[in-house]
Amino acid sequence: LAKTTQPISMDSYEGQEVNITCSHNNIATNDYITWYQQFPSQGPRFIIQGYKTKVTNEVASLFIPADRKSSTLSLPRVSLSDTAVYYCLVGSYNQGGKLIFGQGTELSVKP
Amino acid sequence: EAQVTQNPRYLITVTGKKLTVTCSQNMNHEYMSWYRQDPGLGLRQIYYSMNVEVTDKGDVPEGYKVSRKEKRNFPLILESPSPNQTSLYFCASSDRLAGGAYEQYFGPGTRLTVT
Repeated sequence: LAKTTQPISMDSYEGQEVNITCSHNNIATNDYITWYQQFPSQGPRFIIQGYKTKVTNEVASLFIPADRKSSTLSLPRVSLSDTAVYYCLVGSYNQGGKLIFGQGTELSVKP
Repeated sequence: EAQVTQNPRYLITVTGKKLTVTCSQNMNHEYMSWYRQDPGLGLRQIYYSMNVEVTDKGDVPEGYKVSRKEKRNFPLILESPSPNQTSLYFCASSDRLAGGAYEQYFGPGTRLTVT
């Protein structure tokens, strides 16, 4: 099972771009990289998912280098409402159903 | 509306009194999972189910039981709750996406206090 490592916390200001990097050195060939956002006392919410290179949706971008041993979640022009904990998760059905969340990154956006 | 529901949302109970937390999803997902979340420890998987009648242990299964008799339901059972099971519990479900990826949908959480 791939273990993930993320910074415990990050600070930013409104309007800035935020990049959160996740390290997953033992990622398996079939594994996908998924990022979730969690607000206090709520369930995590899916943000974005990718296998390689770059993925972009309406809320974020995900950059995955060729060796796939890390990934970077990019949040453009953050606002106060982006203050949350962000989790990186690595896994796939082909590797079984056991999934291990990392400690998450607590992002604090200031005015 | 696609959703995962959990009941109850809040529960205070006493040590040793058996309880069940229900989880139901309306998306016809094959995969379901239970997590607990404690301050400083993140989300830890308790049990998961790849399909009906197929369940397996996650990282922290001690003191918990699950069953998957129907595709939509995945109850979490605490036969003899203890204070160290006081936690915030989340149920999640996921379809098998192209390539084998997971995209989990989480329930709103159940805050359990065992005294």
